[in-house]
Amino acid sequence: EPEVTQTPSHQVTQMGQEVILRCVPISNHLYFYWYRQILGQKVEFLVSFYNNEISEKSEIFDDQFSVERPDGSNFTLKIRSTKLEDSAMYFCASRAGTTNTGELFFGEGSRLTVL
Amino acid sequence: AQSVTQPDIHITVSEGASLELRCNYSYGATPYLFWYVQSPGQGLQLLLKYFSGDTLVQGIKGFEAEFKRSQSSFNLRKPSVHWSDAAEYFCAVGLYSGNTPLVFGKGTRLSVIA
Repeated sequence: EPEVTQTPSHQVTQMGQEVILRCVPISNHLYFYWYRQILGQKVEFLVSFYNNEISEKSEIFDDQFSVERPDGSNFTLKIRSTKLEDSAMYFCASRAGTTNTGELFFGEGSRLTVL
Repeated sequence: AQSVTQPDIHITVSEGASLELRCNYSYGATPYLFWYVQSPGQGLQLLLKYFSGDTLVQGIKGFEAEFKRSQSSFNLRKPSVHWSDAAEYFCAVGLYSGNTPLVFGKGTRLSVIA
């Protein structure tokens, strides 16, 4: 069964360091997303990406964040200078279709710990 | 703005007992509704979804949910819980509008005791 894969599963970093979280969406999917979940809180939307550009982003997704699809398979989230409050589980998701009728497939998440 | 409320943070049920997890939403129109489950160390797996038609939808693992427009609710149910159902459950809503992102509730953690 096709799946979304994320690496690393867990990353510990020092405050101020750059972090790149990687995702390999399902191969025939066209829409890609990043969500995050701070411990004990709800899953929050960060950004959506389609046709090699950002479709929508939340207020959380400030200038410290960027996304990229550097090749035909990877979809990355970069945090330029991490802050303590960036500690969270980051989920990548992908979808085949253009509407919410298409199922959103999530990866297992990358846990980021900022010290 | 749209919002999703899951009023129960943590629920404990006995194995074999019935389960109902509550979800209420606030939306300008009839949204698309989803329930996701997150097992420990796992990603989010879709349990079921509602778009239109029959308001009682069946999902995987024996779960079902009922959409009640008058109550703006989409509660998740299971007649007999298994120990493997212990997980975090998230209700989410979306709009039929291109790439509009899903909005999630805060989740309900389900514990199952013998």
